[in-house]
Amino acid sequence: KNEVEQSPQNLTAQEGEFITINCSYSVGISALHWLQQHPGGGIVSLFMLSSGKKKHGRLIATINIQEKHSSLHITASHPRDSAVYICAVNKNNDMRFGAGTRLTVKP
Amino acid sequence: DGGITQSPKYLFRKEGQNVTLSCEQNLNHDAMYWYRQDPGQGLRLIYYSQIVNDFQKGDIAEGYSVSREKKESFPLTVTSAQKNPTAFYLCASSIQGSAEAFFGQGTRLTVV
Repeated sequence: KNEVEQSPQNLTAQEGEFITINCSYSVGISALHWLQQHPGGGIVSLFMLSSGKKKHGRLIATINIQEKHSSLHITASHPRDSAVYICAVNKNNDMRFGAGTRLTVKP
Repeated sequence: DGGITQSPKYLFRKEGQNVTLSCEQNLNHDAMYWYRQDPGQGLRLIYYSQIVNDFQKGDIAEGYSVSREKKESFPLTVTSAQKNPTAFYLCASSIQGSAEAFFGQGTRLTVV
């Protein structure tokens, strides 16, 4: 079993829809990351959080440490949000990654 | 601007040849990492280095080698011993002790 599980694996939405991507982990962590990977492959860090909730523009990330669960929400989704979203956790000196959620937002 | 640079973006090699992927950072980060990404799988750690002239094996180090002669540079060599070298390779760096990581744009290696 992977240490970091994401769901869904693939998600297709219509422009304007509210989107939720979930991440569950099974190890003790010091921080959790949400990353965005565009078709070219480069990865951008969206959020790093260890408790509570963070918001940046239309993106919101929450984490529940007791339940070992985090969610990434996108409000008013847009085709430019189409990408792979990756959940990663810091464990000791390295990071453990989920397999990613491929999001496609259709106009 | 500070950042991590990986080169080249696409690389093709014949089977049996060694190939070296470049990773350079000007963020003054102590720690650097190499990850491999395969379709449908999370990134897996190949090697990491927390200080110059020192590096540690990750989860899938077999068939790979690295060096860390300079703080800014952490090249990865994919040797002929690596059985399935075709993959997307990502380099990352971080400040020692910090959970925040910065990623390069990746190198897609295809071995034919």
